[in-house]
Amino acid sequence: SQQGEEDPQALSIQEGENATMNCSYKTSINNLQWYRQNSGRGLVHLILIRSNEREKHSGRLRVTLDTSKKSSSLLITASRAADTASYFCATDETGYSTLTFGKGTMLLVSP
Amino acid sequence: NAGVTQTPKFRVLKTGQSMTLLCAQDMNHEYMYWYRQDPGMGLRLIHYSVGEGTTAKGEVPDGYNVSRLKKQNFLLGLESAAPSQTSVYFCASSTRGELFFGEGSRLTVL
Repeated sequence: SQQGEEDPQALSIQEGENATMNCSYKTSINNLQWYRQNSGRGLVHLILIRSNEREKHSGRLRVTLDTSKKSSSLLITASRAADTASYFCATDETGYSTLTFGKGTMLLVSP
Repeated sequence: NAGVTQTPKFRVLKTGQSMTLLCAQDMNHEYMYWYRQDPGMGLRLIHYSVGEGTTAKGEVPDGYNVSRLKKQNFLLGLESAAPSQTSVYFCASSTRGELFFGEGSRLTVL
């Protein structure tokens, strides 16, 4: 069963704008991870946030985690056309990285 | 350093045929996974392994078998392929943190 659910399903913005994607999940977790997938390619890990962390940054990425609301958000600042991809959140409930993925958000960044 | 390599990249099967997907990783990772990705469904875990000689079922294991005879290899087998197994299959490896994915194997069952 799907654990994480991303919102929105699709997002279209202009270069330079910020993109925010949200993820909700159902059960307690060890950590939550975000991945990126370019069309026809494998998934690439972006960032991991542990259940005892509230916010994490990596370059233009900012991830927040609210365990009380069972939700996370991914913010991409100053988007570029190269950020066009699908973004997935994934939860680790077991600690063995047997991740449960959401259905993803398709981000389109127009020049 | 190739990371995670999947073979073959594309395959077309007829219903009832069998085949094996091979995953190889050169990062000395203990854990390996097989996922399938279908349109609108995200990724779903088929089987995984926490070490050489061990395997465990994931969310959607029916119709698949796996083996981890060597630490660097994780094989996914389809004994009797069905059209419902048409999908893109991804292998991944990890050290109990982030997953490193292969580029995928696109399987079509006619």
